[in-house]
Amino acid sequence: EAQVTQNPRYLITVTGKKLTVTCSQNMNHEYMSWYRQDPGLGLRQIYYSMNVEVTDKGDVPEGYKVSRKEKRNFPLILESPSPNQTSLYFCASSDGSPQETQYFGPGTRLLVL
Amino acid sequence: GQQLNQSPQSMFIQEGEDVSMNCTSSSIFNTWLWYKQDPGEGPVLLIALYKAGELTSNGRLTAQFGITRKDSFLNISASIPSDVGIYFCAGLSNTGNQFYFGTGTSLTVIP
Repeated sequence: EAQVTQNPRYLITVTGKKLTVTCSQNMNHEYMSWYRQDPGLGLRQIYYSMNVEVTDKGDVPEGYKVSRKEKRNFPLILESPSPNQTSLYFCASSDGSPQETQYFGPGTRLLVL
Repeated sequence: GQQLNQSPQSMFIQEGEDVSMNCTSSSIFNTWLWYKQDPGEGPVLLIALYKAGELTSNGRLTAQFGITRKDSFLNISASIPSDVGIYFCAGLSNTGNQFYFGTGTSLTVIP
């Protein structure tokens, strides 16, 4: 089944404790992206990747890192999480150009205390 | 970043009624997209628009790419209970790589 998977689905952590949210897609998609969703603000793009080893900042990259060492994986790293990074995070992927249909993962709900 | 203003913020309608929502931007986009998000899930693409003035349908859904390229509209005809959810517009930047989403329209359909 074609899908985007994220782990963990739920995470509670404390300020400053490094964490990684994994994202994997099995559709051989080139474009991958991370978003955060906050009430009243919609989805905001954090980082995106056009292909392996190619990543670029989105609208709200501060406090986040990503890597794209393999085509299928695009982990989101929070080196020193802060409470303002409490949010719902979505990973997405699309084939070729980002104009193609983006498939979203199920989301990761993060709470930073 | 670029701002996409979506309205209305929420709608409560009777089953069978038509729905209209719109999205405006301070910048020009070359691609407009409409997504629906069900509770607890990620957004799902409903309609993609690639040309100013374009009118595209997907079943009971119809969306239009505004001529100014700074706005887009989504209409749902004869609403049904499964239309409930949050609808987002999104614009793809002129570089073709970065997405900007609207703030969402929450739709409730009363049977």
